[in-house]
Amino acid sequence: EPEVTQTPSHQVTQMGQEVILRCVPISNHLYFYWYRQILGQKVEFLVSFYNNEISEKSEIFDDQFSVERPDGSNFTLKIRSTKLEDSAMYFCASSLGVKLMQYFGPGTRLTVL
Amino acid sequence: RKEVEQDPGPFNVPEGATVAFNCTYSNSASQSFFWYRQDCRKEPKLLMSVYSSGNEDGRFTAQLNRASQYISLLIRDSKLSDSATYLCVVNLPNTGNQFYFGTGTSLTVIP
Repeated sequence: EPEVTQTPSHQVTQMGQEVILRCVPISNHLYFYWYRQILGQKVEFLVSFYNNEISEKSEIFDDQFSVERPDGSNFTLKIRSTKLEDSAMYFCASSLGVKLMQYFGPGTRLTVL
Repeated sequence: RKEVEQDPGPFNVPEGATVAFNCTYSNSASQSFFWYRQDCRKEPKLLMSVYSSGNEDGRFTAQLNRASQYISLLIRDSKLSDSATYLCVVNLPNTGNQFYFGTGTSLTVIP
């Protein structure tokens, strides 16, 4: 069964450093997403991406965040200058179409020290 | 008002019991509804979509009540492996793919 994969599983970084989280969506899916979940809180939408551009983003997705699809398989989330409050689990997801079910990767746990 | 509200629980039920969760959503224009389950420190896994006509998948039944703006999940014959947090997910109207997640309802099935 096809699945979304993410690397690394855990990333530890110093405040102010840049991090890049990587995802490989399901191969025939067209829509890609990033969500985050702060420990003990709900899953929050960050951004959706379609046809090589951002289609929607939330208020959380400020200028410190960017996404990219550098090749035909990878989808990345970059945080330019990490803050302590960026510590969370980051989930990548993909879907075949608009408003359809989204499939999540196993997540990257980001710890900012 | 929150976009999606769920009773956080916890629900502790014996094996074999039937348990039901409800979730309310605030925007009547929402069109897509799902139940996901999430195990501790794992990713959300799709359990089922929720359709207007209701749908069933084995021991799981989902219902949508548009008039009252709630969705429900019924689990029959609970198994130990059903222990998880159940997440109600609703799309944000007027957008394509922005999904709102509830905070989840915690279920523990006790032997």
